[in-house]
Formats: sequence, structure tokens, C-alpha cells
Amino acid sequence: DSGVTQTPKHLITATGQRVTLRCSPRSGDLSVYWYQQSLDQGLQFLIQYYNGEERAKGNILERFSAQQFPDLHSELNLSSLELGDSALYFCASSPSGGVGTGELFFGEGSRLTVL
Amino acid sequence: AQSVAQPEDQVNVAEGNPLTVKCTYSVSGNPYLFWYVQYPNRGLQFLLKYITGDNLVKGSYGFEAEFNKSQTSFHLKKPSALVSDSALYFCAVRQTGFQKLVFGTGTRLLVSP
Repeated sequence: DSGVTQTPKHLITATGQRVTLRCSPRSGDLSVYWYQQSLDQGLQFLIQYYNGEERAKGNILERFSAQQFPDLHSELNLSSLELGDSALYFCASSPSGGVGTGELFFGEGSRLTVL
Repeated sequence: AQSVAQPEDQVNVAEGNPLTVKCTYSVSGNPYLFWYVQYPNRGLQFLLKYITGDNLVKGSYGFEAEFNKSQTSFHLKKPSALVSDSALYFCAVRQTGFQKLVFGTGTRLLVSP
């Protein structure tokens, strides 16, 4: 158990809908990262937050947004969903947000299926 | 831009034999290199990392990796494979001064009894 909690584990929805994925980082970790894992794209970095502020941005679509709250949990919002958004979405956390060398601790993911 | 290549989609090895999963990287400056493992329906788990120092890094579950700067490689190795090692393995790199970890496409390791 990594200590990172993601909900929901599975989500099935229709095209055009909006969903919210939630992540609680390990106790004490200030950084949260979101990754998307799909069969054709592999593991893609979406966005990182550190102590409530956006720190780094990757291949995140404009239809997607994220935030980190004062209690350090994070939410990833996916809107106007398309079939191609079906994927496993991972949250990871780490203690640092700077140039630390530490590894990431991953949750078990939220599997999104768009029909 | 930083990148990682895992040239093999799948590696097959018999239990008890040594295994190698290959990884090459491209970054500017000194790399931070990582190996993660993903079991079915689970998140990624950290195995080992190279930051600096000894080129041979030892990690969890008997795995080790060798950093080779001249060949820009960071191959994962284990002297004697177990059936339970069967999983998806990801190599990742973080460039000094950058936040994100860039992952390779993954290599599926299949260890047969």
C-alpha cells in the first residue's frame, strides 16, 4: 500500500459528460502528480501541484483541469469527454516539489471508460 | 527534451535464469533515473533509482540496475528470475531542474516456470 488513495476506482460515463477524479496523497507529501495511462500513449504526465500551486504542466488537454486543495488532496476534472479519454488515470505524490531526487508514490488508479 | 526508450515490448525468460530489461535515455545534464514495476490492476511501485555515485544500483526484490553514461543506458537486471516477477516494467528519467518524471512505454516481463 503506497498510502495514496484514489477514488473512484472505476467510472463509466458517456461522451460529452464531465467527471471528477479525486486523489489523497501520502500523509505529509506536498506534491501531487497526475498521469494518464492508455494503451496507445503509454504513461503520460498531465500536471503537478505543489502545496496548492501548479508547478509543472505536461500533455494536459484544455478540457481537463486540476487543482490541489488546502488539505493537499487533489481533483482532476475531465469535461466534454470523448471516447479517446478512456484510460487509467494515476495520481502520485512525493514529499518535495522542487528539485528533489525522491521517487513518486502511486495510487492504484481510476479507470475511466467513456462510451 | 528528456526522453526514455524501452526497445522491447516484451521479455521472456525462464524461472531461475538471469533477466535484463533495457532502457536508454536522453536528457541535458545529469539524469535522475528510476525503475518502476506495475502488477495487473495496480499502481506503479518504485523499484530503484540512480542519482549519483556507484553505477550499480540495488533495489527492491533483488533487482539491480547499471547506469552507463557513455551508452546513456540504465538496464534493469536480476540474477535469477521468479515467476512472480512477471509484470510491466517502466524506466523513467527526471532531468535536473525539472519536476516531471518522463516514463518509457514499458516492457512486459514474462517469467515462465
